[in-house]
Amino acid sequence: EAEVAQSPRYKITEKSQAVAFWCDPISGHATLYWYRQILGQGPELLVQFQDESVVDDSQLPKDRFSAERLKGVDSTLKIQPAELGDSAMYLCASSLAPGEMAYEQYFGPGTRLTVT
Amino acid sequence: KQEVTQIPAALSVPEGENLVLNCSFTDSAIYNLQWFRQDPGKGLTSLLLIQSSQREQTSGRLNASLDKSSGRSTLYIAASQPGDSATYLCAVNPTLPYNNNDMRFGAGTRLTVKP
Repeated sequence: EAEVAQSPRYKITEKSQAVAFWCDPISGHATLYWYRQILGQGPELLVQFQDESVVDDSQLPKDRFSAERLKGVDSTLKIQPAELGDSAMYLCASSLAPGEMAYEQYFGPGTRLTVT
Repeated sequence: KQEVTQIPAALSVPEGENLVLNCSFTDSAIYNLQWFRQDPGKGLTSLLLIQSSQREQTSGRLNASLDKSSGRSTLYIAASQPGDSATYLCAVNPTLPYNNNDMRFGAGTRLTVKP
């Protein structure tokens, strides 16, 4: 069964360091999402891609976060510099393009980030 | 702005009991609603997706209902088992033809099923 892949699964970094997460969506899924989930809360959308283009990054803290999906397949989310408040689970999801098949999103296993 | 609320925040039941998890949302203009399961420290697993035109969906021991006009959904779990212990999240998708899919999540209900 096709799955969304994410790496690393766990990351511990010191404050002010740079960190990067990788996501490989389900093959054929044009839409890719990055979410941040703080412990005890639901996920919140950081950025949405349609192919290689950013559709929505209104909730992305652009002073320190960046995301790219250069070839419209896999994606990287970067934080530089990391802050203590960035400790969270970072989830990647993918779906067919909007308008197709009901927007069902499929999630990866997540990357648990701890900033010390 | 769509707000999604899940009550209760935590629930503990003995094995074998039937239970209901609740989800409410403030804007009834939704495209669909999705229920997810999340095990500790893991990603989200989709359980059921209900289109706005549907009233319910069933999968095994799970049944999800949707009352769009009142802004409510319930997830019914029959004959609960210890393996059902997890956090259950509901999420709503906005109505098309929005280009972006600003799915809004509740904070989840943490379920514990005791043997």
